[in-house]
Amino acid sequence: EDKVVQSPLSLVVHEGDTVTLNCSYEVTNFRSLLWYKQEKKAPTFLFMLTSSGIEKKSGRLSSILDKKELFSILNITATQTGDSAVYLCAVARGSNYKLTFGKGTLLTVNP
Amino acid sequence: DGGITQSPKYLFRKEGQNVTLSCEQNLNHDAMYWYRQDPGQGLRLIYYSQIVNDFQKGDIAEGYSVSREKKESFPLTVTSAQKNPTAFYLCASSIEGAGRQGTDTQYFGPGTRLTVL
Repeated sequence: EDKVVQSPLSLVVHEGDTVTLNCSYEVTNFRSLLWYKQEKKAPTFLFMLTSSGIEKKSGRLSSILDKKELFSILNITATQTGDSAVYLCAVARGSNYKLTFGKGTLLTVNP
Repeated sequence: DGGITQSPKYLFRKEGQNVTLSCEQNLNHDAMYWYRQDPGQGLRLIYYSQIVNDFQKGDIAEGYSVSREKKESFPLTVTSAQKNPTAFYLCASSIEGAGRQGTDTQYFGPGTRLTVL
């Protein structure tokens, strides 16, 4: 059975802090790993990673994948209150349509 | 304005009633999906459709039904057979459901929160 495990489950930081969110996975025939941000309603797409060691970056957010050790991290630098959300990790495998999601990390950024 | 719309935003149902949740997309995407999200849980796949007039069960299809008569629309019916339907329901779409690398990104609608009274 495919498994996607995110840690920590929740995290509280102050504005300006840097945070690292973790996602480990066990799937057969891995194809890609995706990160989403969910604020109250629709998850919004952040990154898709397919190759090991290549960092994807967008502003203060960045992510990297380690296919050997089967994990990914999402970094957020200089956090702002608007970064408060649930961050979801999902994995696609093989020729399958399906994404398997982790339970998410609830990030709270206090002013 | 391209995107995915879901309606209604909130829905209340009495026990024993069937209800239908709407999902429409104008992104010209082939594949569409329905997920259920419970507090503290990740998204769980209910049904998906890779092409018009075809759909497949996901991990938790019992008590749900779908149809895909048009490319743009993928309504979900929550039947009285679903034992615990109170949840947040999310619809998503992707360019195609063939599972080729580069097409994995799914885009989500705003969700419908269903409460059984």
